Amino acid sequence: NAGVTQTPKFQVLKTGQSMTLQCAQDMNHNSMYWYRQDPGMGLRLIYYSASEGTTDKGEVPNGYNVSRLNKREFSLRLESAAPSQTSVYFCASRHTSGTGLGNTIYFGEGSWLTVV
Amino acid sequence: GENVEQHPSTLSVQEGDSAVIKCTYSDSASNYFPWYKQELGKRPQLIIDIRSNVGEKKDQRIAVTLNKTAKHFSLHITETQPEDSAVYFCAANLQGGSEKLVFGKGTKLTVNP
Repeated sequence: NAGVTQTPKFQVLKTGQSMTLQCAQDMNHNSMYWYRQDPGMGLRLIYYSASEGTTDKGEVPNGYNVSRLNKREFSLRLESAAPSQTSVYFCASRHTSGTGLGNTIYFGEGSWLTVV
Repeated sequence: GENVEQHPSTLSVQEGDSAVIKCTYSDSASNYFPWYKQELGKRPQLIIDIRSNVGEKKDQRIAVTLNKTAKHFSLHITETQPEDSAVYFCAANLQGGSEKLVFGKGTKLTVNP
């Protein structure tokens, strides 16, 4: 049981290049998330997916696209990387119950992305 | 707009003292309020959470209180230890209790021996 696994862990990109961050969870969770973390800005939600086949914008979606490939996988794509996208990216997941009350969100180990 | 405000941004206490971190949220329909601890270079880890149907929850030295009327919740750490030093984040689910989970900007807690 690996939890939330994201790849790559480190990546350096040139401005204008594209790349995809991969995320997979083995906990059978319904919801999955992508956050970015910058110094002094906390964790900002980029996109989330409440269930397989659905995705919604978070606080800072511009410059990103996502795909909920199946229940396990949720990828984040940068089509044309910019220096402002230099950040640490965290994928996360959690189970949602029928009560409507929230449950624990589990994070991956993070992906350090530098755009030069 | 929809957000979660967290204060203070930094907090320094002496070992053994108590630490309190406060958060406010904007959506009165929010119903889930977790707190996360993040050590340098590591992923955030849940330390305690509270749901809207209770007002207080304790787990050993940590406790969380929720005031739904005022739309704020607080983390209380008693008898602080140097290993409590970390960045702490609060969060709330916005948009009517949906899956949109938004975090505060964090509080860097330093416990001085």
